[in-house]
Amino acid sequence: GAGVSQSPRYKVAKRGQDVALRCDPISGHVSLFWYQQALGQGPEFLTYFQNEAQLDKSGLPSDRFFAERPEGSVSTLKIQRTQQEDSAVYLCASSDGIGGYTFGSGTRLTVV
Amino acid sequence: GENVEQHPSTLSVQEGDSAVIKCTYSDSASNYFPWYKQELGKGPQLIIDIRSNVGEKKDQRIAVTLNKTAKHFSLHITETQPEDSAVYFCAATTNYNFNKFYFGSGTKLNVKP
Repeated sequence: GAGVSQSPRYKVAKRGQDVALRCDPISGHVSLFWYQQALGQGPEFLTYFQNEAQLDKSGLPSDRFFAERPEGSVSTLKIQRTQQEDSAVYLCASSDGIGGYTFGSGTRLTVV
Repeated sequence: GENVEQHPSTLSVQEGDSAVIKCTYSDSASNYFPWYKQELGKGPQLIIDIRSNVGEKKDQRIAVTLNKTAKHFSLHITETQPEDSAVYFCAATTNYNFNKFYFGSGTKLNVKP
C-alpha cells in the first residue's frame, strides 16, 4: 500500500477486555515497530520485528502485551485484560532499511 | 538507556518569524537524529534528519544542527507559516533501521497569522 495502515482507528474497551490492534506496513518493508503514545507525550518504543522475527520486545510494559507478525507482513498487537493505564495511541511504523521510519495514523485505545 | 529532553514544550510565533526547538541526548553512541511533525489525529511524519558525521543539514525553510560534543541538536524553521502549526518531536537512536528511537516529549508550535 501507499502508507502504513492501522485498524481500528478508535477502540473503546471495558476494563478487563482483550483487544487486538492491526498494522499493515508498506509492502516490502522488512522492519516493523510498535510505539505507545500517551496524551501529550512522545512515542515510547514497545517492540520491533525484522520480517517475522521479534528481535526486541523490551518496551512491552507487562506480560499482558503481546505482538506477532507471523508471515513477516501484517502485525497484531494484543493487549489482554485491559486496564485504564493502557489508554493511549498505539503507533505502528515500518522501514525499508534505507529511508527511515514511516508511521501509521495510530489506534486510539480508551479503556473505560 | 538514552534520555532525550526537548524544549520548549510550547512555542508561539508570528507568521514569518523563525522558530527554534532544542533537544539534548545522553548516550554518546547515538548517531542518528530525526525530527517528526505530528498533526492532530495523524502519525508522526519525518521532516528532516541528521547523522552524527555532519553538523548541519538544510531543506528549504527547515534546518537541523548537531553539536556532538555538547550532545544537543536543534530544529530551525524560518519564515514560518500557519501550516507549520503542529507538534514537533525530536528523536535519537544508535542505529536508525534496526533499533528503537528515543523521542523527546514534543513541542507544540503555534504560528499566528
